[in-house]
Amino acid sequence: SQQGEEDPQALSIQEGENATMNCSYKTSINNLQWYRQNSGRGLVHLILIRSNEREKHSGRLRVTLDTSKKSSSLLITASRAADTASYFCATFDTGGFKTIFGAGTRLFVKA
Amino acid sequence: IAGITQAPTSQILAAGRRMTLRCTQDMRHNAMYWYRQDLGLGLRLIHYSNTAGTTGKGEVPDGYSVSRANTDDFPLTLASAVPSQTSVYFCASSPGDRDSDTQYFGPGTRLTVL
Repeated sequence: SQQGEEDPQALSIQEGENATMNCSYKTSINNLQWYRQNSGRGLVHLILIRSNEREKHSGRLRVTLDTSKKSSSLLITASRAADTASYFCATFDTGGFKTIFGAGTRLFVKA
Repeated sequence: IAGITQAPTSQILAAGRRMTLRCTQDMRHNAMYWYRQDLGLGLRLIHYSNTAGTTGKGEVPDGYSVSRANTDDFPLTLASAVPSQTSVYFCASSPGDRDSDTQYFGPGTRLTVL
């Protein structure tokens, strides 16, 4: 079973627009991470937000975490065609030593 | 090498054959993982190892085995491949820090079982 579930499953936007992806999870977590996967490649870590943090920024990325709603969002501002990829949230639960990935959001940025 | 490598890049295998997917990391990470990725299902954990000499079962371990004889290598073996094991397999490693567990992924092995 998947801990994190991303929404939407797919997103298509124009270059320059902002892209927002959401992630919901089920259990208590230690932290939540977002990863990116280009087609045919391995996942690359983007950003980690801890359970006691509410917002974090890294370049054009902004991540929020609401532990009361068990949800997180990833905002990519001023998107570029090179941002086209799949984005996954992953939760590291407090009870174990495992990171669990969601099914991902496929983002397509049109030039 | 720098990071994590996998071999082979891709493989076509007859059902019933034995196959070992190789994974090597040079970051001295304690933890290593094997995932399979199927369309629409994201990543599913097959097996993991928290440290050399120990292994554990993930979400979908049936039909797969692993070993962790040393820190760097974490091979995944399919004893008798079946078509449902057609997938893209990713190896990953992490420092093993209980506080974060950021994972670093290999490039993947695309396996087709006919």
